[in-house]
Amino acid sequence: DVKVTQSSRYLVKRTGEKVFLECVQDMDHENMFWYRQDPGLGLRLIYFSYDVKMKEKGDIPEGYSVSREKKERFSLILESASTNQTSMYLCASSFMGAPPDTQYFGPGTRLTVL
Amino acid sequence: DQQVKQNSPSLSVQEGRISILNCDYTNSMFDYFLWYKKYPAEGPTFLISISSIKDKNEDGRFTVFLNKSAKHLSLHIVPSQPGDSAVYFCAAKFQGAQKLVFGQGTRLTINP
Repeated sequence: DVKVTQSSRYLVKRTGEKVFLECVQDMDHENMFWYRQDPGLGLRLIYFSYDVKMKEKGDIPEGYSVSREKKERFSLILESASTNQTSMYLCASSFMGAPPDTQYFGPGTRLTVL
Repeated sequence: DQQVKQNSPSLSVQEGRISILNCDYTNSMFDYFLWYKKYPAEGPTFLISISSIKDKNEDGRFTVFLNKSAKHLSLHIVPSQPGDSAVYFCAAKFQGAQKLVFGQGTRLTINP
C-alpha cells in the first residue's frame, strides 16, 4: 500500500520566517511533486523532481525552492514566508513512466502565515 | 491561463439520482484525462481516467465521457450516494509528460 506522508498537518508561521515542508514516500517512486490548493484555483504545481538532486519548476515556483537529497524525501522551502503563501500544500509521488493515474497524494499541510 | 476549467464550483444532487460533473480544456495536445476525488483533510485520490483515443470509460457507478471536438469531458455518477460528497478535480496530461494540469474543482453534495 503506497504511503505518502507529510511532516505536519497544520502549521502556523509568521511573515518572514523560513518554512520547511517535508514529504516522504515509501514506494521508491522517482517522481515527486509539490502542489498548492486554493479555493477557486484548484491544484497548482509548484515544483517537481524526477530524480535525486533534480528539480523542475512548475507553474507557480516564485517564492519557493525545493530540495531532494534522497529518493524518498522531497522538501518544499519558503525562504521568507508571506501571507499570500497561506494555503493547503499537497505532496505527490509516482513512478517514472507509469500511467498518470498512479500519482499518489499525501494528506496535505494547511499552512497559515500571519 | 487556465488550460483545464471546471466552471461549476458546486453541485447539489439528490441521493439516488445522477451526478454530472463537467470539465473543459483548451489544449488539444492533452492525451490523457483523469478525475480525482478529495475529502476534507485528505489528499486527492484517483477515481477514473480516459485516454484521448477513447470516448468513454466506465468503472462501476462512474463513467467518464470525452468529446474531443468540443474539448469537453464529463464524469457521471449513478446512482449518487452520500459518500460521493467531496470535491472533484479534473486533470489532464500532455503526451510524454509526467505532470498533471488540474481544474479548479467542483464540490459535489449529495442530499439524502
